[in-house]
Amino acid sequence: GAGVSQSPRYKVAKRGQDVALRCDPISGHVSLFWYQQALGQGPEFLTYFQNEAQLDKSGLPSDRFFAERPEGSVSTLKIQRTQQEDSAVYLCASSQDRYSGANVLTFGAGSRLTVL
Amino acid sequence: QKEVEQNSGPLSVPEGAIASLNCTYSDRGSQSFFWYRQYSGKSPELIMFIYSNGDKEDGRFTAQLNKASQYVSLLIRDSQPSDSATYLCAVIRGGYQKVTFGIGTKLQVIP
Repeated sequence: GAGVSQSPRYKVAKRGQDVALRCDPISGHVSLFWYQQALGQGPEFLTYFQNEAQLDKSGLPSDRFFAERPEGSVSTLKIQRTQQEDSAVYLCASSQDRYSGANVLTFGAGSRLTVL
Repeated sequence: QKEVEQNSGPLSVPEGAIASLNCTYSDRGSQSFFWYRQYSGKSPELIMFIYSNGDKEDGRFTAQLNKASQYVSLLIRDSQPSDSATYLCAVIRGGYQKVTFGIGTKLQVIP
């Protein structure tokens, strides 16, 4: 597609519910990143994929967070048993480049998660 | 110590002035440096990237990198009200893919 597409744009969940956030990157982009952005903060790295391989998941805050990209294109970020502190905007970004140092990121519009 | 440090601001400048945004990073192995702009309620968008020491100019924007001081800056000349946004500094460590962002500096350009 022309840009990075994320869905849903807004999600309200009750504490304890599971949520799934989808990212459709720019066609042909090798690298895909997930970030969490709380209000007034910068984006915090969650995880990184190169094609279907999850090469870095050091930013996932707990084992309730899980991400996959099974066919190297669309990615899903799943949050189990949501907590209020999970409320944030979840940003997906993709990059054409696979080489370290060349990751110019194009971001999607984000998915705003509110946990009540 | 945070990997990427920025003053959250707000930084207020009058229209037409030069806005100077600063960023320091902790890892000497960092090799790539980026400035992203984020309007309120929107996603970050790339303004510039810089890899080498010195200055890089693109229109009204100049990025400056000093690896010895672990310091990156962004100058915006002839600031316009439309430049009012949060400016995010981001770095990549050598050998890694992860892009690490600072908290961002909120810039307000006063007409």
